[in-house]
Amino acid sequence: KAGVTQTPRYLIKTRGQQVTLSCSPISGHRSVSWYQQTPGQGLQFLFEYFSETQRNKGNFPGRFSGRQFSNSRSEMNVSTLELGDSALYLCASSLVKGQETQYFGPGTRLLVL
Amino acid sequence: SQQGEEDPQALSIQEGENATMNCSYKTSINNLQWYRQNSGRGLVHLILIRSNEREKHSGRLRVTLDTSKKSSSLLITASRAADTASYFCATDPMDSNYQLIWGAGTKLIIKP
Repeated sequence: KAGVTQTPRYLIKTRGQQVTLSCSPISGHRSVSWYQQTPGQGLQFLFEYFSETQRNKGNFPGRFSGRQFSNSRSEMNVSTLELGDSALYLCASSLVKGQETQYFGPGTRLLVL
Repeated sequence: SQQGEEDPQALSIQEGENATMNCSYKTSINNLQWYRQNSGRGLVHLILIRSNEREKHSGRLRVTLDTSKKSSSLLITASRAADTASYFCATDPMDSNYQLIWGAGTKLIIKP
């Protein structure tokens, strides 16, 4: 099976712009979780989706949003970018629940200038 | 919120030695997982241990879980240069809501 794919892999934006990141889970996986990782930090949970429904959201401002499509593909959007949004954004898929073994994509590295 | 805390934050050993890293957590869990991350890439799942298990092996990896102390350890035997990575523990708390709770990781460096 193909692994989790994320696009784009690298992105440079300027403050105030918005960005959309995409994640395609492993075929058959219905849960998609998103994380933000900054240098030297662990993973900060953004949100988890299952069957097009957001089941949980982390402690991030409303500028961070996401959605999941009927084919389980997911997107996350960050509006009004700030310098502090520069990070590695990771997507992970699992079969049903976000607490099961998660399979990660390679991440999208976002740099905000 | 960060439930897991890895210890040490960084570890540097010679190739061939064993590496041990620890994870402590705060609340009762369903399972605990260990992941590896190479140089800013995506994470790779290593092993999952359930709350009713005390020890689990996978190749050169040995994981123990002590629910009374709310702690787990990951032992990598006969380390190799390719084991250089950051290692994260993640817990599935019993009162969780569809998310794993992650620690900040242990950075392991294997010196040739």
